[in-house]
Amino acid sequence: GQNIDQPTEMTATEGAIVQINCTYQTSGFNGLFWYQQHAGEAPTFLSYNVLDGLEEKGRFSSFLSRSKGYSYLLLKELQMKDSASYLCAVRDSNYQLIWGAGTKLIIKP
Amino acid sequence: GAVVSQHPSWVICKSGTSVKIECRSLDFQATTMFWYRQFPKQSLMLMATSNEGSKATYEQGVEKDKFLINHASLTLSTLTVTSAHPEDSSFYICSARDLPGYEQYFGPGTRLTVT
Repeated sequence: GQNIDQPTEMTATEGAIVQINCTYQTSGFNGLFWYQQHAGEAPTFLSYNVLDGLEEKGRFSSFLSRSKGYSYLLLKELQMKDSASYLCAVRDSNYQLIWGAGTKLIIKP
Repeated sequence: GAVVSQHPSWVICKSGTSVKIECRSLDFQATTMFWYRQFPKQSLMLMATSNEGSKATYEQGVEKDKFLINHASLTLSTLTVTSAHPEDSSFYICSARDLPGYEQYFGPGTRLTVT
């Protein structure tokens, strides 16, 4: 079956760095996405990786290793507004998005 | 980026009635639209995938006669929850994409409460 694992919840301090991991096993691979979702809102796109390596976009970076079925989202200089759920999703061979359960990130002052 | 709208943003209805939710792509042609449901503190659950002009493909466990999906044009899809029950109360989110391989864009979601 298809499976995406990410931690349920993480806590970090304002101004610090946090890394959210995601491991996957899917039928084919056509890219990995990270989305941010604030409570009561729809997901918003953060990043997309299809080749191995690190993609940096401002305070957020995303890394992919296809051979290991592994990705992480790195958030730097954490701000209180970064408190949200972070969803890892993999696009399979049918171009369907397979979703992880999400990681709730709690930022403390 | 591309914009997807949903209407209404929230709705309260009585048990046994039907509710229609609209999803529109505002500045691109949505060849494929996806309908998701999300219960509190849970991840997105794909309900169905619809291609313009074709019948929707429902995920296992989703009743197609209860959740009617129409994707009659390249910019509009509707989800009708028929004979709603309190357990149908949830956050319904649509997303749309142009072609396979293209990014999915999400609507803002519709919060349905059935009393």
